[in-house]
Amino acid sequence: AQSVTQPDIHITVSEGASLELRCNYSYGATPYLFWYVQSPGQGLQLLLKYFSGDTLVQGIKGFEAEFKRSQSSFNLRKPSVHWSDAAEYFCAVGASQGAQKLVFGQGTRLTINP
Amino acid sequence: NAGVTQTPKFQVLKTGQSMTLQCAQDMNHEYMSWYRQDPGMGLRLIHYSVGAGITDQGEVPNGYNVSRSTTEDFPLRLLSAAPSQTSVYFCASSYSRAGVRQETQYFGPGTRLLVL
Repeated sequence: AQSVTQPDIHITVSEGASLELRCNYSYGATPYLFWYVQSPGQGLQLLLKYFSGDTLVQGIKGFEAEFKRSQSSFNLRKPSVHWSDAAEYFCAVGASQGAQKLVFGQGTRLTINP
Repeated sequence: NAGVTQTPKFQVLKTGQSMTLQCAQDMNHEYMSWYRQDPGMGLRLIHYSVGAGITDQGEVPNGYNVSRSTTEDFPLRLLSAAPSQTSVYFCASSYSRAGVRQETQYFGPGTRLLVL
């Protein structure tokens, strides 16, 4: 069965510092991978996705993620965070051929220090 | 386009009551899903639909019913609410393309449900 692990429940970084959020997945075939962001009291917004091709994926709001098959990882990065990046971040893997099902990680809550 | 809309935004129920969470999308998406979000557990799939008249169970279907009579609507029914169903519920939709297994899912704003 597919699974996603986000090892860090909560991360605090200073504004302007770099950020890396970790995501490890378990899936037998080539995975479809997503990062979503959820601001407090809001729904989920897609940051970026990986289906195939270039393993470094660019997303919105200056985020990028790198797919590493050998490490079963899809870590999210941003070179310089802004206070508005404070939110919860979810990594997800697309499950099961022929169906539109996502398996989510537990989420990482990001706090930004001024 | 309004995208994915959900009503109500917030609801309080007593144990044993029934209710229907509404979800609608105006993007002509074939696929629709319901997830629940609980602290520390991410989002878990309750039920999903690959088209009008076709539904299937996800990871946590017990206590919930769904039907899909139109492409636009995908209501989630709680027949007898329990405190364990206190959660935030998200509806999502996506389109399909030939040869592509998984497309981006678009999420609604959520319904916060409290069962006393």
